[in-house]
Amino acid sequence: SQKIEQNSEALNIQEGKTATLTCNYTNYSPAYLQWYRQDPGRGPVFLLLIRENEKEKRKERLKVTFDTTLKQSLFHITASQPADSATYLCALLNDYKLSFGAGTTVTVRA
Amino acid sequence: NAGVTQTPKFQVLKTGQSMTLQCAQDMNHNSMYWYRQDPGMGLRLIYYSASEGTTDKGEVPNGYNVSRLNKREFSLRLESAAPSQTSVYFCASSERGTSPGNEQFFGPGTRLTVL
Repeated sequence: SQKIEQNSEALNIQEGKTATLTCNYTNYSPAYLQWYRQDPGRGPVFLLLIRENEKEKRKERLKVTFDTTLKQSLFHITASQPADSATYLCALLNDYKLSFGAGTTVTVRA
Repeated sequence: NAGVTQTPKFQVLKTGQSMTLQCAQDMNHNSMYWYRQDPGMGLRLIYYSASEGTTDKGEVPNGYNVSRLNKREFSLRLESAAPSQTSVYFCASSERGTSPGNEQFFGPGTRLTVL
């Protein structure tokens, strides 16, 4: 069966450090992978998209990698700030519909 | 430009009652989606509408119906609510579902409790 797995445990890090989140998938062949941010009580907000032929994508302090051999994406938040505290969702584009992971909650301590 | 709006924000139903969740977008998007989000399970697609006039089942359609009223509006109906439908419901839209990598824009959600 198809599965998308993200870090099951919440991530607590010190301000200024790098947070690294993982997204592993099985029985998908996604051409695209997206990352979203979700704050409590709100809908997800799109952050980044990476294509299967791209190894790495950056946007400001965010970096995403996509390894189709390992079936894994890594999401990095560098120089983290308390405002980065949120839940981060990965999503795979599958037959033009998105399938989402359960998300990883990140808390950045000042 | 309000983006994606949903009504109501909160709702409590008794088992067996019916209700309709409303969603509208003002971005002239072709595709619209309904998801439910439960703790530890992520967002699951209930129904989607790739374009005006079409609707299709997603991963968890049982117990729900949808109507794409026009290009702007996409409603979700629970005909006979059950406690298992207690969840947070999100509506989303994208420019064109079949375009690769289209980002989805989400509404603020409806928190539904079925007693």
